[in-house]
Amino acid sequence: GAVVSQHPSRVICKSGTSVKIECRSLDFQATTMFWYRQFPKQSLMLMATSNEGSKATYEQGVEKDKFLINHASLTLSTLTVTSAHPEDSSFYICSARDLQGLNQPQHFGDGTRLSIL
Amino acid sequence: AQKITQTQPGMFVQEKEAVTLDCTYDTSDPSYGLFWYKQPSSGEMIFLIYQGSYDQQNATEGRYSLNFQKARKSANLVISASQLGDSAMYFCAMARGGSNYKLTFGKGTLLTVNP
Repeated sequence: GAVVSQHPSRVICKSGTSVKIECRSLDFQATTMFWYRQFPKQSLMLMATSNEGSKATYEQGVEKDKFLINHASLTLSTLTVTSAHPEDSSFYICSARDLQGLNQPQHFGDGTRLSIL
Repeated sequence: AQKITQTQPGMFVQEKEAVTLDCTYDTSDPSYGLFWYKQPSSGEMIFLIYQGSYDQQNATEGRYSLNFQKARKSANLVISASQLGDSAMYFCAMARGGSNYKLTFGKGTLLTVNP
């Protein structure tokens, strides 16, 4: 089945640091990947849609200069949290689809727990 | 605007019994999809089952089935013969935007299976 790998699984760093999270589709090509954020005991909120070879599409209220997304190849999208602060601490998770179509599920990575001290 | 509602913050079930997790949705699109995902405490999202708005029959996948009532705009997940490993958060999600869709998630239901 389609596998999405996300790295790192956990990050703890100081305030002001920039953190890069990678999302890879291991056995399929993904022209589109999605980035979500999840606070403890809450639902997943879509942050942005990552498009291979073009700019990401951000959801309303998400700061594009804070959350930089690069989708340089058909198997890799990266999310960089720039100058991270404690309020950026959260669980970040990516997803991708191997096939187009409304009935094709999004496959998720295992997520990254980001803690900013 | 699309909206997904899961009214049960938490549910308890005895091992080997069946349980129904509720999900209602609101959309004006004639074509849409409904997904259920399982999220264990480790955090990964596991796809369980899908129902399309035009599907005539309720979806089934092993112990999972979806009770789809289109007129009521509900898509409840039924888990039969519950197992201890079923304890997790369960999210209902709606696909919007056609073939290159985005997902909108409900708030989730925490299911606890008791031995």
